[in-house]
Amino acid sequence: DAMVIQNPRYQVTQFGKPVTLSCSQTLNHNVMYWYQQKSSQAPKLLFHYYDKDFNNEADTPDNFQSRRPNTSFCFLDIRSPGLGDAAMYLCATSSRQGLNTEAFFGQGTRLTVV
Amino acid sequence: AQSVSQHNHHVILSEAASLELGCNYSYGGTVNLFWYVQYPGQHLQLLLKYFSGDPLVKGIKGFEAEFIKSKFSFNLRKPSVQWSDTAEYFCAVAILGGNKLVFGAGTILRVKS
Repeated sequence: DAMVIQNPRYQVTQFGKPVTLSCSQTLNHNVMYWYQQKSSQAPKLLFHYYDKDFNNEADTPDNFQSRRPNTSFCFLDIRSPGLGDAAMYLCATSSRQGLNTEAFFGQGTRLTVV
Repeated sequence: AQSVSQHNHHVILSEAASLELGCNYSYGGTVNLFWYVQYPGQHLQLLLKYFSGDPLVKGIKGFEAEFIKSKFSFNLRKPSVQWSDTAEYFCAVAILGGNKLVFGAGTILRVKS
C-alpha cells in the first residue's frame, strides 16, 4: 500500500549520461516535490509542481529538469550528471499548496555517478 | 536566508534514557513545524506536526514536541527511548505559504540495548 513510489531505488549512471528518475503517487495529490539529499546534509528542495504549474527553486542548476505528464507521475531528468550530483533524490506529495498540509515522501532513489 | 538548525548530529543513548533533540529555525512569519523520522532503509515518515493551537503536540510512538515561539524552537522529546527508535530524525519548517519545506541537517540517534 505504498503511496509515493520511486523507481528505481538505486541508479548508477555514467558521468555526462542523461538519467531519469521516476515518481508515482496513489494519493491523487495536487502537489509533487523533488528534493535532493546529499550525504549528511538536509534534504533540499529542487522544484515542485502544483498541478501542471512548475515552480523551480532559484538555486536549482539548469542541469535538472522535471516533467509531470499527469497527476500520478513526475519525473526528474538530469541532463548531464556530474560527480557532484550523486545523492539521494526524494519525491514527495501534498494535497494542496499553502500551510497546514503535510508532505508524504517516497523511499528515494540513490543516484551514483561513475 | 531561512534556516533550520538541529543541535546534535549524532546522539547515543541507552534504552530507557530520556531524549531531547533540539531544533531552531530562523523565520519570522507564520510557520508549520514538523519532525520526520527515517528508519534505516526506509522513507521519511511524519512523527508529528504543529500547525496552530496547543504548542505541545503529541505524535506517534510516544514522541512529543513543544513549540516555543519566542525561542523559534521546536524540540522533540521522548521520556524513555527504545532500541527500535534508532533512526535519523529531521526537523522541518514549512515557510512561504507552505510550498517549501526547509529541513535541518538531521540527528542520527542510536539506542544501545
